[in-house]
Amino acid sequence: IVLTQSPLSLPVTPGEPASISCRSSQNLLYVNGNNYLNWYLQRPGQPPQLLIYMGSTRASGVPDRFSGSGSGTDFTLRISRVEAEDVGLYFCLQALQTPPPYTFGQGTKLEI
Amino acid sequence: QMQLVESGGGMVQPGRSLRLSCDASGFIFGDFAMHWVRQAPGQGLEWLTVIPYDGINRHYADSVEGRFAISRDNSKNTLYLQMNNLRLEDTALYYCARESPSSGAFDLWGQGTWVTVSS
Repeated sequence: IVLTQSPLSLPVTPGEPASISCRSSQNLLYVNGNNYLNWYLQRPGQPPQLLIYMGSTRASGVPDRFSGSGSGTDFTLRISRVEAEDVGLYFCLQALQTPPPYTFGQGTKLEI
Repeated sequence: QMQLVESGGGMVQPGRSLRLSCDASGFIFGDFAMHWVRQAPGQGLEWLTVIPYDGINRHYADSVEGRFAISRDNSKNTLYLQMNNLRLEDTALYYCARESPSSGAFDLWGQGTWVTVSS
């Protein structure tokens, strides 16, 4: 399964919204109704942090300005109002393929 | 506090071996599948391998199949990655990550350990 993110670079202004797309080469919607697509933020010098799982569920402690949407092959991560601390690399990850490999998108660099 | 701490990285010549460790604390290690993921300098994330909670049915990325081996010792709360026949392109920051059993998401990551393969 190949994940294609766009854009790869995203300059934003604080307070403005931002969105990142992740498209899958195969359907990530499982028979149980869940989409096995996750979003991560990697701040500079830090390990990745889980933001969104199952396409649209915010992980614990993640601000509500982050939201995930989509189903099947097309997914979007949205930030309602970008803050300075949101700078970093955003990755999508598919966790559906059985047996693995799991695959990441190429990453989107968000910068102020 | 839930935590993963990697160790064992370093500089090694091509063709040599290295074993990474990932020490888990703050949760029941034996309940979770565990992964290794790496990130080459300035690059994206590459999934490498997974081991289920019971150590059976391990899977590998094509790039490391036959050279790397994942294992775990649930009595020691430790995950391992044995890396053999290392190549220049294996130079990267290596992360261990925990998989949530309900979502499949990697919900806990270590800080990573650097592996540099150089002659």
